[in-house]
Amino acid sequence: KAGVTQTPRYLIKTRGQQVTLSCSPISGHRSVSWYQQTPGQGLQFLFEYFSETQRNKGNFPGRFSGRQFSNSRSEMNVSTLELGDSALYLCASGANPASYEQYFGPGTRLTVT
Amino acid sequence: QQQVKQSPQSLIVQKGGISIINCAYENTAFDYFPWYQQFPGKGPALLIAIRPDVSEKKEGRFTISFNKSAKQFSLHIMDSQPGDSATYFCAAFPVDAAGNKLTFGGGTRVLVKP
Repeated sequence: KAGVTQTPRYLIKTRGQQVTLSCSPISGHRSVSWYQQTPGQGLQFLFEYFSETQRNKGNFPGRFSGRQFSNSRSEMNVSTLELGDSALYLCASGANPASYEQYFGPGTRLTVT
Repeated sequence: QQQVKQSPQSLIVQKGGISIINCAYENTAFDYFPWYQQFPGKGPALLIAIRPDVSEKKEGRFTISFNKSAKQFSLHIMDSQPGDSATYFCAAFPVDAAGNKLTFGGGTRVLVKP
């Protein structure tokens, strides 16, 4: 079974721009969660999607948004980028929202200059 | 607010030694306590997990010990190998209708010296 794929793997953006990251979960998995990883704050939950619905959202500003498509693929968008948004953005795939077994993709490394 | 506290931040162990990582949590509504292993350039990988009604779980060289009354749990890596050098994260996972998310500890960087 193919694992979680994330595209692109690396991104360099300028302050004020916006960015869209993509995640394809493991085949058959319908729950997708997004996490931000930084050296200072560690791994922080962004949001969770199941059946195209956002079920949970972390403590991030409204500039961070996401969506899930009918094939369970998910995208997250960050608008008006700030330097502090530089991070590794990780997508996690789960069979369903009740599954603690979440499988992470390799992440997208976003650098904001 | 940090609901899962992890220590130490880093540790160095000789090959064949035991690595011990400790975590403490505050929220009693957590239902699973997984551990993740992360190598540089990779996403975290699920290593082992335990439920609060179990005091110990062992998988190969990895053992989780759980103390529900103290709200603490730990990971023991027995016979540590250089290939175990990675960052380890404890996490807590609630199962409720409001939505589920992993709350991670701060991570422990483990270096196993040959």
